[in-house]
Amino acid sequence: SAVISQKPSRDICQRGTSLTIQCQVDSQVTMMFWYRQQPGQSLTLIATANQGSEATYESGFVIDKFPISRPNLTFSTLTVSNMSPEDSSIYLCSVEGWAGPGELFFGEGSRLTVL
Amino acid sequence: DQQVKQNSPSLSVQEGRISILNCDYTNSMFDYFLWYKKYPAEGPTFLISISSIKDKNEDGRFTVFLNKSAKHLSLHIVPSQPGDSAVYFCAALDSGNTPLVFGKGTRLSVIA
Repeated sequence: SAVISQKPSRDICQRGTSLTIQCQVDSQVTMMFWYRQQPGQSLTLIATANQGSEATYESGFVIDKFPISRPNLTFSTLTVSNMSPEDSSIYLCSVEGWAGPGELFFGEGSRLTVL
Repeated sequence: DQQVKQNSPSLSVQEGRISILNCDYTNSMFDYFLWYKKYPAEGPTFLISISSIKDKNEDGRFTVFLNKSAKHLSLHIVPSQPGDSAVYFCAALDSGNTPLVFGKGTRLSVIA
C-alpha cells in the first residue's frame, strides 16, 4: 500500500485567511486526488492533480478558491483560499491503488475549522 | 441529488453477531461498488469491492451482496468484532471514468 502523509493534521483558522495543506506520498504516482468531507456529508472529489499539468476541478470547485500545486510525482499541495466557516471540513489527499477500479489510498486527512 | 445513499447513520451490534450495512444507489450506469472503512483521525481504507457482473463477493468475515434490480448493496460482517467499530462508506463507480461517488457513511459500533 502507499503511505500518504498530510500536514497539518488539524488547524483552526480565521475567516478570510488561506491555508495550504501538504501531501507527501512514499512512491511516485501519476495522479493525486483531493477530497473534502464536510461535517455529516460524504467524501466529495475537489480536483485531480497531475504532475506537469493544470489540475482538473470537479463541478462546484474552482481554481481561485482551491489552487493546487503538483511540483513532482510524490508531492502536492491544496490551498483553501479566503476561508469561511463553510470551508470547515476534513480535506483528504489520495492516490490510486492497484487492486482494482476505485481503490484509493488516503492520507489521514487535515481537519480545518474556520471561525 | 445523492446518487449513493446510506440511510442509516449509525448501527450498534453485539460482538459475535452479524453486522449488516446497507447502501442504495440511483445511477444505473454504476458498474463497480466498493466499501471503505474509516477510523477516527485516519483516512478511509479500502475494504471490499464488487463488480456489477457479480452478486456476491466474500473476503474472510466480510461479504458484499449486490442486487442490481433493486439498486441495493449490503456489507455483511460476521462475526462482528469490537475492532470493526468504525464508519463505513459505500462508494460507486461508473467505469466511464467518472469520479468515485461516496455515501455519507454508517457508524458501526460493535459492543463487547
